[in-house]
Amino acid sequence: EDQVTQSPEALRLQEGESSSLNCSYTVSGLRGLFWYRQDPGKGPEFLFTLYSAGEEKEKERLKATLTKKESFLHITAPKPEDSATYLCAVFSGTYKYIFGTGTRLKVLA
Amino acid sequence: DTAVSQTPKYLVTQMGNDKSIKCEQNLGHDTMYWYKQDSKKFLKIMFSYNNKELIINETVPNRFSPKSPDKAHLNLHINSLELGDSAVYFCASSQKGSGRYEQYFGPGTRLTVT
Repeated sequence: EDQVTQSPEALRLQEGESSSLNCSYTVSGLRGLFWYRQDPGKGPEFLFTLYSAGEEKEKERLKATLTKKESFLHITAPKPEDSATYLCAVFSGTYKYIFGTGTRLKVLA
Repeated sequence: DTAVSQTPKYLVTQMGNDKSIKCEQNLGHDTMYWYKQDSKKFLKIMFSYNNKELIINETVPNRFSPKSPDKAHLNLHINSLELGDSAVYFCASSQKGSGRYEQYFGPGTRLTVT
């Protein structure tokens, strides 16, 4: 069964303290893995798409990487404005989108 | 300009009522979706339309009926609302034929059934 698991559920960092969020997936034929950011009361905001193992994407303090079993979202020197829930999703070979339950990130000033 | 918009933002209603949520996208995408996000923030797909045709219909009570008048609009009508229908509903869109499968989401409609 296609499945996406994110860890940790919640993460508190001090401003400037770098860390990584994990997304493990089991899917029949990966067509794409996505990272989204969701702020309270808002819809998910698209960040990255990764298509194949070894691929990396960067945007400001965020860097996403992909292996055959998992993806990491690395946050370098985070700021309080990076606080949000980060969602991982996959698009399977059977054309299904499966979301993880997210990691709630809180960056303290 | 808002890429994916939904109305209303909040909807409070009583059990047994019928209500609709509207969604519009101006991205030129050919595929639109409805998701339900529960209290634990889990996003679960409900329906997907491609060029006005239903292509995904997950296990959803038949009280929920999507309607797509054109490629840019996908509405969700809910009959006989129940307490368990309380959630945030998100509309999303993507361009199926582009090879890029990322979805763009609307701001959500918070439905509260009392």
